[in-house]
Parts: sequence; structure tokens; C-alpha cells
Amino acid sequence: GDSVTQMEGPVTLSEEAFLTINCTYTATGYPSLFWYVQYPGEGLQLLLKATKADDKGSNKGFEATYRKETTSFHLEKGSVQVSDSAVYFCALSRIRSGDNYGQNFVFGPGTRLSVLP
Amino acid sequence: ETGVTQTPRHLVMGMTNKKSLKCEQHLGHNAMYWYKQSAKKPLELMFVYSLEERVENNSVPSRFSPECPNSSHLFLHLHTLQPEDSALYLCASSQESSGGAAGDTQYFGPGTRLTVL
Repeated sequence: GDSVTQMEGPVTLSEEAFLTINCTYTATGYPSLFWYVQYPGEGLQLLLKATKADDKGSNKGFEATYRKETTSFHLEKGSVQVSDSAVYFCALSRIRSGDNYGQNFVFGPGTRLSVLP
Repeated sequence: ETGVTQTPRHLVMGMTNKKSLKCEQHLGHNAMYWYKQSAKKPLELMFVYSLEERVENNSVPSRFSPECPNSSHLFLHLHTLQPEDSALYLCASSQESSGGAAGDTQYFGPGTRLTVL
């Protein structure tokens, strides 16, 4: 079945360091890819997404490019801040089988990021 | 209220109790989801309702019973739970469309932290 693999961490960085969180996926067809972020005590929030190969999603200084050839969607940020400390989830969505309507999501295990001042 | 709300935010119950979790979305979406988030495990999809019909039930034990009375409300009825059911239960919604689109964003509520004694 479809799956998402990402580094579990925790990842600890100093403020202004470069961030990479790796994400690879296995899926049939052409999934859409997402990064969600979860701050302490909150639900998941969409960070960015890409719906087709070579698309780049970006938001709040974070970027990820949909690489079909390597089945990857790595998250990067050039200079992290303390406020970026959170858990980051890579996810894919695929058409729900059987009725060709709607979609189901598959999430990775999440990567905890701690940014120290 | 905006977005997706969940009540209660915290719940402690004994194994013989019956309780219900409530989710309400104020986004005009047509699909709602229940997820279970346990420590050190990936997010688990439990149930999906699309256009108020249950379209996915991922082998969830019968002690969890969902209800979707309309497109804005989703409940999770709990009875005779086990300690291993303690987790964060997240509700999400999205606007699904026909024609094979898989890029719809899911919007999450803050979750209900459930502890089963």
C-alpha cells in the first residue's frame, strides 16, 4: 500500500541554521504531497503542498519540491527560528479507491524539530 | 467560531464509561475525518465521511462508533475503552470534488486528549 517515510528525529538546530527534513513516498498513480506542522497543544496545520511532479510548494520560508524520479518531497528552510520548533508531518493524498471521488491521506510518522536560541 | 473545533479538549474516562467526542467545521466542507494520534506512531485514519456517508472504516474496533448527522458535525461515541486507546483524537475536514482531484487540503481541529484509566 501507499506509505510515507521521513526522518523521525528529534532534530535539534541552532537559530539561523539550515534545515532539511527528508521525506520519501511509495504510491500508485499520481499523489499530491503535503507538509503539515503541529505546534504543541494544537492540531495539524498545512504548511505547503504540491500537486504534480516538479511543482515547488513554499510558505513562511519553507520549500519542498515534488520529485517524481526520486519519489521525494524534502522540506528545507534556509534559516530556522525558535518559533519553528514543532513536529513536521509529510503526507500524500490519493484518490479514494472504488468511487474515484474524494481522497485519503497517508501521513509519515512526524519529525520533531527543536530550535535553540 | 472559525475553522474546525473539537470538544472537549481533554477527557478522562474509566473503561466502563460511555462518552462522546464532538467535532464541528465552519468551513462549508463536505467531508470529515477522525484520526488517532498516539505517541511514537504515525497518524492513523479511523473514519471518513463524505457527503454525510461513511466511506472509510479502517478496521477500527467497534468500541468506537462514529456519527455524522450533517456535513458540519461529526461525533465519535466511545464505550468500554481500553487503556491503549488513550491518545489525541483529531478531527479534520476538506472539500472533496469529483473528477479525480487529490490536492484538496485537510483542515484539522486542535484535538481531544483522551486518557482511559
